[in-house]
Amino acid sequence: AQSVTQLDSQVPVFEEAPVELRCNYSSSVSVYLFWYVQYPNQGLQLLLKYLSGSTLVKGINGFEAEFNKSQTSFHLRKPSVHISDTAEYFCAVSGPGGGSEKLVFGKGTKLTVNP
Amino acid sequence: DVKVTQSSRYLVKRTGEKVFLECVQDMDHENMFWYRQDPGLGLRLIYFSYDVKMKEKGDIPEGYSVSREKKERFSLILESASTNQTSMYLCASSFQGRTTEAFFGQGTRLTVV
Repeated sequence: AQSVTQLDSQVPVFEEAPVELRCNYSSSVSVYLFWYVQYPNQGLQLLLKYLSGSTLVKGINGFEAEFNKSQTSFHLRKPSVHISDTAEYFCAVSGPGGGSEKLVFGKGTKLTVNP
Repeated sequence: DVKVTQSSRYLVKRTGEKVFLECVQDMDHENMFWYRQDPGLGLRLIYFSYDVKMKEKGDIPEGYSVSREKKERFSLILESASTNQTSMYLCASSFQGRTTEAFFGQGTRLTVV
């Protein structure tokens, strides 16, 4: 069974600083990986996804993530954050096939961008 | 734009009441999901449906049931609400296939008193 570990529950940073949100997964089969963002009082929105091909994936709002198969990681990065990036970020892996295409989520990382 | 609409943003119910949470999607998605979100626990899958009248238990189905009579609508039912079911409930939908993204509703914050 798949599982996802987000190593930091809270990450405070200053505006314009770089940020990395860490995600590790475990799976015995090939994986598809996703990062979602949740702004306060809203549902989740897809930031980016890795399906195959290039291990560096670019998403919306200047975010990118790198798939590292040997380290089973999919860390999210942004070179310079804004106040508006304050949100909770969730890493997810898609479940096994055969009709059970469930997303398994990590516990989330709260990013707080301070002025 | 894909729309997943949950019938209520906020709901307050009494212990023991039967509670219905409704979700409608307008993109003809085959898959629909109900998740529960609690601080520090992330999103946990309650139930999943991959077709009309088809359902599969998720990680925490106890105390919940679901209904999918039409493709666009997926209902979560709390048979007898309890205070430990106070939570944020998120509905999502997707096309079939592991590579497709899920689209989420705005969430229903349920308080059971």
